[in-house]
Amino acid sequence: DTGVSQDPRHKITKRGQNVTFRCDPISEHNRLYWYRQTLGQGPEFLTYFQNEAQLEKSRLLSDRFSAERPKGSFSTLEIQRTEQGDSAMYLCASSPEGTGMGDYGYTFGSGTRLTVV
Amino acid sequence: QKEVEQNSGPLSVPEGAIASLNCTYSDRGSQSFFWYRQYSGKSPELIMFIYSNGDKEDGRFTAQLNKASQYVSLLIRDSQPSDSATYLCAVTMFSGGYNKLIFGAGTRLAVHP
Repeated sequence: DTGVSQDPRHKITKRGQNVTFRCDPISEHNRLYWYRQTLGQGPEFLTYFQNEAQLEKSRLLSDRFSAERPKGSFSTLEIQRTEQGDSAMYLCASSPEGTGMGDYGYTFGSGTRLTVV
Repeated sequence: QKEVEQNSGPLSVPEGAIASLNCTYSDRGSQSFFWYRQYSGKSPELIMFIYSNGDKEDGRFTAQLNKASQYVSLLIRDSQPSDSATYLCAVTMFSGGYNKLIFGAGTRLAVHP
């Protein structure tokens, strides 16, 4: 296990279709995050899992977005009824528990680039 | 006010010079600070982290933190063309009972031969 894996790398879909992305974190990391990044912007937080529990969901995540992490291993992010504004890079990251001094940085996957046409 | 602010650049420096990248953040309670490098079309890669006030050096990179001024910086010595990338400042913020990383928009660095 050499890093965070994301699949697919690229996805082109028609507006209104549903899409699902998968993320496999580093196996010893119990924390998993989804971010979205558009051109010229930094990654924006979407949601956070600790093990299988989804602990926080950004207001950016409308009801069309859902994320799961069954059994605390891989995670999926589904977007229903895609819109052109959903076009972005979707990044998954994982990290171990923080220490008393501070949190560890996140390790990012290669991302899934979504284009909605 | 954005939670994490960076100058978007581009910051252009000649090869061999020192590149200085700056970042300010809004949450005084932030505890952990990170610099990521992102090449065009690629995902962010962690290059430095710092928790305490002062300087932290790692090879050609030095991170500087001043919590009183809510200011983080990254110095890159002996800049190389391969350092040309976008540098993202990230800060942990506590909300909803948990810490999470909040990113700035990034500063684009261009190192010219």
